[in-house]
Amino acid sequence: GQNIDQPTEMTATEGAIVQINCTYQTSGFNGLFWYQQHAGEAPTFLSYNVLDGLEEKGRFSSFLSRSKGYSYLLLKELQMKDSASYLCAVVDYGQNFVFGPGTRLSVLP
Amino acid sequence: EPEVTQTPSHQVTQMGQEVILRCVPISNHLYFYWYRQILGQKVEFLVSFYNNEISEKSEIFDDQFSVERPDGSNFTLKIRSTKLEDSAMYFCASSSGGSGNTIYFGEGSWLTVV
Repeated sequence: GQNIDQPTEMTATEGAIVQINCTYQTSGFNGLFWYQQHAGEAPTFLSYNVLDGLEEKGRFSSFLSRSKGYSYLLLKELQMKDSASYLCAVVDYGQNFVFGPGTRLSVLP
Repeated sequence: EPEVTQTPSHQVTQMGQEVILRCVPISNHLYFYWYRQILGQKVEFLVSFYNNEISEKSEIFDDQFSVERPDGSNFTLKIRSTKLEDSAMYFCASSSGGSGNTIYFGEGSWLTVV
């Protein structure tokens, strides 16, 4: 089975940097994805890691350590529109995506 | 950009009624999924579908649920006899498969059982 954990809520200030952590225990691992979900909307893809290390994509970066079962999403230069839930999802070799509980981020002025 | 489309966007149904939620996945995708999200809660996996059959299903996906791909484009989720606790947003998603390819979600169908 798969067990994925994330903090429930985080708060940060506009212009700051925030790190959202995700830990996982899985029976099979073929990559970890991060998604953003605004209230009432569908999740949208942010980033993907399958090898250890940091992937950078503009203001968003994601890090993976497979040996530790750990990933984080780093958001820089926070904007008000970044207020959303951030979901990590682990995919197995059968292409099954399992989502963590999500972290609700509030960006304050 | 190609997208996953879902209908209806909202449906209100009486407890015990059958509901069919429809999805048109992205045309060259091979893997299809249904997820649900109860208000304020996590995105929960229901079922995955590949090569015209269910590849995996969760404990939530009991005998009340079924999926079909009746033609080359549609992918449907049927709930046979709805319960109050089935009220949720139901997301369809599709993927081309392969390492590193994300799933793409539809906008969701909001189901309210009264």
